[in-house]
Amino acid sequence: QVQLVESGGGSVKPGRSLRLSCTASGFTFSDHYISWIRQAPGKGLEWVSYLSGGSTIDYYADSVKGRFTVSRDNAKNSVYLQMSSLTVEDTAVYYCARGAGPRLDYWGQGTLVTVSS
Amino acid sequence: DLQMTQFPSSLCASVGDRVTITCQASQDIKRYLNWYHQKPGEAPKFLIYDASNLEIGVPSRFSGSGSGTDFTLTISGLQPEDIGTYYCQQYDKFPLSFGGGTKVEIK
Repeated sequence: QVQLVESGGGSVKPGRSLRLSCTASGFTFSDHYISWIRQAPGKGLEWVSYLSGGSTIDYYADSVKGRFTVSRDNAKNSVYLQMSSLTVEDTAVYYCARGAGPRLDYWGQGTLVTVSS
Repeated sequence: DLQMTQFPSSLCASVGDRVTITCQASQDIKRYLNWYHQKPGEAPKFLIYDASNLEIGVPSRFSGSGSGTDFTLTISGLQPEDIGTYYCQQYDKFPLSFGGGTKVEIK
């Protein structure tokens, strides 16, 4: 069955960096784009980034552009979100989701990133 | 950037009630709209794409309608397992964007 598992979250000080991973199974990974979506504590969903199956196209939310970089290793069925210059506003649960046409049809359970001094 | 507005922000209804949630886009998005349901403590679950197409396995009591800037999600016969927060999301243009969510509770 389709599964996505995020990892790499944790507690970090403002200005530092962190790399999240999303490892997938149960489908042909390179056939699908992956999006990252985050949810601040008690808040709604915020789309963060998109990366095409072949890594040729990427998009970012304005709030993270220039600070976050998304990449993937299709041989490892994994997508990565490199986050730098973190601020307290980046504190959130980060989800990766599989894209199928217009749909974000499978989501991981999320990994919590806490940015605090 | 496209802004998505949902209302109400929360509602309380009885089991069996018909529930309607509205999503409004700041500009024409044709029918490029998804709906998701998030239960407390869980990841969101995908429900509807292209404004009205149910994902496989989603109960038929859920339906979506609308085009352009105005969309609705209807639950025809609310069930206890339907509690949680519902989000709309546009995919007409990047950056993708979600509505603020509608929290559904049972009376």
